Amino acid sequence: GQQVQQSPTSLVLQEGENAELQCNFSTSLNSMQWFYQRPGGSLVSVFYNPSGTKQSGRLTSTTVIKERRSSLHISSSQITDSGTYLCAPNYNVLYFGSGTKLTVEP
Amino acid sequence: EAAVTQSPRNKVAVTGGKVTLSCNQTNNHNNMYWYRQDTGHGLRLIHYSYGAGSTEKGDIPDGYKASRPSQENFSLILELATPSQTSVYFCASGPGGAQDTQYFGPGTRLLVL
Repeated sequence: GQQVQQSPTSLVLQEGENAELQCNFSTSLNSMQWFYQRPGGSLVSVFYNPSGTKQSGRLTSTTVIKERRSSLHISSSQITDSGTYLCAPNYNVLYFGSGTKLTVEP
Repeated sequence: EAAVTQSPRNKVAVTGGKVTLSCNQTNNHNNMYWYRQDTGHGLRLIHYSYGAGSTEKGDIPDGYKASRPSQENFSLILELATPSQTSVYFCASGPGGAQDTQYFGPGTRLLVL
């Protein structure tokens, strides 16, 4: 299968701080998705980003295919942002990274 | 909003027993997927399907079979369950193609004793 590496593995922030999550992949891809998973819960797509930069509210995703990387930036973090964020490059099927566990404390 | 349901939500099975996990989607998506999620491994693709009657092997198909009898239903079958198959299983559906986005079910927790 494809190699997908996410960093950091875990991240603890104080409410209001910004977060930068990284995803590196081994080969060129069709598109990139980011998913959010609440502890014990299912996955919800938060971003579909083939390339370039996209913003939705406090979330910004940047994918640079030639550099084999994608990032998810969360600004002004909130307690409700806590959970695991997984990147999933699309190679006709999705390959998932192991995720970054984000904890936002008051 | 996409709707993917899974049953059962929790299952305890004995080693050597047969287990069937069911998935239903009401979005008329062509593609359906079965993943398992284990600590340290993220989600790994077991089987997927492009439509009724089709099943394809994913990255870790050994010990699993799949069945897609209709557009809406996709089952994962463990003929001889083993403790190593204890995991959380997720089903997903999507329209398919290079720009596929996937909608996930709530997951099934399987414990094989």
